[in-house]
Amino acid sequence: QLQLQESGPGLVKPSETLSLTCSVSGASISNSGHYWGWIRQPPGKGLEWIGSIYYSGTTYYNPSLKSRVTISVDTSKNEFSLNLRSVTATDTAVYYCARPRRWDNAFDIWGQGTMVTVSS
Amino acid sequence: EIVLTQFPGTLSLSPGERATLSCRASQSVSSNLAWYQQKPGQAPRLLIYGASSRATGIPDRFSGSGSGTDFTLTISRLAPEDFAVYYCQQYGSSPWTFGQGTKVEIK
Repeated sequence: QLQLQESGPGLVKPSETLSLTCSVSGASISNSGHYWGWIRQPPGKGLEWIGSIYYSGTTYYNPSLKSRVTISVDTSKNEFSLNLRSVTATDTAVYYCARPRRWDNAFDIWGQGTMVTVSS
Repeated sequence: EIVLTQFPGTLSLSPGERATLSCRASQSVSSNLAWYQQKPGQAPRLLIYGASSRATGIPDRFSGSGSGTDFTLTISRLAPEDFAVYYCQQYGSSPWTFGQGTKVEIK
C-alpha cells in the first residue's frame, strides 16, 4: 500500500530555509509514472499547491512561490524534497506531500502533513 | 491563475438531508475539477475527479456534476461522518488552485 511521510523541522527562523522530505513507501518513485507534489495549508485556511516533480527531475512550480522554491527527487532513497528559501511568518502552514493520479492532477494519495512554524 | 469560488461558505444540515455544494471557476477548466473532504487534523481525501468520477472507495451518496465554470458536489443523504470541510480543485490550467472551502456542519 502506497504511503507518504513528511519529515523535517517544525520550527524555522525568519529568512532561513524550510526543508522537508517526503519518504515514499509501497511504490517506486522512478517506476510509478506519476508526478509527486507539495501542497500547504496555513492554519485555519485553504490549500495551496506549491509544485510537483517527476522522477526524471522535471519540475513545475506555482508562480507565486517559484522564486523561492526548489523541489528535488532522490530515486535511490525513494524520496523527494522541498526547499523554501527566505521564509516569513506567512509561510507557517501544514505542509503535505501528495501524489496526483497518473493521467491528471487530482491528488489521490496524501501524507499526514507536518506543521512548520516560522518564528524567531 | 484560475480562481475558484465555493458557496455557500457554511452549510448547516441534519443527518439524512441532501447537501449541495457549488464551485465556480473564473474561467473554463473543462472537466478538470476535483472535490476533496477534509476533517480536522487530517489530510484532504479525494472524493471526485474529472468533475463526476468517484475516487476509489468513495460511497455512491457522493456525486459530482458540471463542466466549464460551474460545478456541484451533491451528498444525497448526509451520514454523521460527512460533516467536514469540502474543497474543490482545478487542474485545467497551471497553477493548480483550490477553492476556499465549504464547511458542512450539523444543524
